[in-house]
Amino acid sequence: DTGVSQDPRHKITKRGQNVTFRCDPISEHNRLYWYRQTLGQGPEFLTYFQNEAQLEKSRLLSDRFSAERPKGSFSTLEIQRTEQGDSAMYLCASGDGVEQYFGPGTRLTVT
Amino acid sequence: ELKVEQNPLFLSMQEGKNYTIYCNYSTTSDRLYWYRQDPGKSLESLFVLLSNGAVKQEGRLMASLDTKARLSTLHITAAVHDLSATYFCAAPLVSGYALNFGKGTSLLVTP
Repeated sequence: DTGVSQDPRHKITKRGQNVTFRCDPISEHNRLYWYRQTLGQGPEFLTYFQNEAQLEKSRLLSDRFSAERPKGSFSTLEIQRTEQGDSAMYLCASGDGVEQYFGPGTRLTVT
Repeated sequence: ELKVEQNPLFLSMQEGKNYTIYCNYSTTSDRLYWYRQDPGKSLESLFVLLSNGAVKQEGRLMASLDTKARLSTLHITAAVHDLSATYFCAAPLVSGYALNFGKGTSLLVTP
C-alpha cells in the first residue's frame, strides 16, 4: 500500500477560475477527510465521508466548495470561482479506525 | 466549540536538553492525537492517546493524556537536530471523527 495520494501536488490558478483536486485514500479505508491548512496554522477540517456518504461539513465549506466520493473510493474537492483567500494547502486523510493518515497535499495558489 | 491550544508556539532548544510541549483542549474528549510536520511536507502521525492516563513513547518522544485536566503533553528527551519540526496536537470534534488541530509548536533544535 502506497499511502494516501493527491493530485495535483501544486495548482496555480487565476481568481474566478474553478479548480478540482483528487484524493485516493489507502485502499479499504472507509473514512476520508478533507482539511485546509494555511501558512503557520494547523489544519482546519472541511468535510468527511464514510464510504460514499458525506456525513459532516464544516461551516468553512462555503457554497463555492463541493466534495464527492462517488463510489466510496477516491474523492474530489472542487472550488468554484476561486478567491485569493482560497490559497492554502488542501490535505486529504483516510482511516478505518481512530487513526488518520494524511496525503502529501495539494498546494493551491490563487493569483 | 472545541478549542485546542498548544504552548509554546515556538521553541528553540539545545541538543541534549529536555522539554515539554503542552496541549489543552476545551471540551471532553477521550482521544488526543500528536502529529509531526516537516516544512513543506504533510503530517506524520506520532501518537494516538485513547484513554485517561495513556502514555506512549517512541524514541526521544513521550506523550501522555490526562482527560480530567483536558491536558496532553509531549515530552522531548535529549533533543537532537532531527527532531526539528512543527508538532501539532488534535482532538476529535463532536462527531467523533474529524479533528480540531492546535496552531502547532515550531521546534528548532540547535547544536
